[in-house]
Amino acid sequence: QSALTQPASVSGSPGQSITISCTGTSSDVGNYNLVSWYQQHPGKAPKFLIYEGSRRPSGVSNRFSGSMSGNTASLTISGLQAEDEADYYCCSYAGSSTVVFGGGTKVTVL
Amino acid sequence: QVQLQESGPGLVKPSETLSLTCSVSGDSMSRHYWSWIRQPPGKGLEWIGYIYYSGSTNCNPSLKSRVTMSVDTSKNQFSLKLRSVTAADTAVYFCARVEPSSGWFTPFDYWGQGTLVTVSS
Repeated sequence: QSALTQPASVSGSPGQSITISCTGTSSDVGNYNLVSWYQQHPGKAPKFLIYEGSRRPSGVSNRFSGSMSGNTASLTISGLQAEDEADYYCCSYAGSSTVVFGGGTKVTVL
Repeated sequence: QVQLQESGPGLVKPSETLSLTCSVSGDSMSRHYWSWIRQPPGKGLEWIGYIYYSGSTNCNPSLKSRVTMSVDTSKNQFSLKLRSVTAADTAVYFCARVEPSSGWFTPFDYWGQGTLVTVSS
């Protein structure tokens, strides 16, 4: 069970859109439409952003959107704001009743 | 409002057993999956395992030989024991609820604040 692959860092200017990728395999991301995304500010617990690849829980800003293609899931943040500066993690069901996280991506707002 | 709170020793000696409890309020534990997730300092999240309210469990294969999880629905608590710890087990440990409408073991909709456990003599 290997961690999903995310870029270490992504940056953008306020108002821009950025996309974070999350690459897995045909045993996890590519086999189940069960990717979720979390936002984590320093010293805080992760916050639930996206589930089943593209669905937003109630209360999450529509500036966050998710998509999936093959073995890769993506999180797009549109209208980037200073408060979006945080670490972002993807997560997938990996079969055999197990779950795997990505390594995390640090988002910097320039 | 669902709230989770981890509790347990912040310092554990190498080779000993790490023991943590997660107290749940604002929700019944029944018919839900509950998970433990950890994060070494400066690193990413790692799924440890889940427990169902009935007591069934599953763990990350890399930790399976050292992990025991239990649930006490009368106290609205579930617990984690990690045996034979080393410095590599130093991490913030989070408990979390699996989103109830999910038929799987993810996603995690409510999280505890996390508790730092340091393994050191």
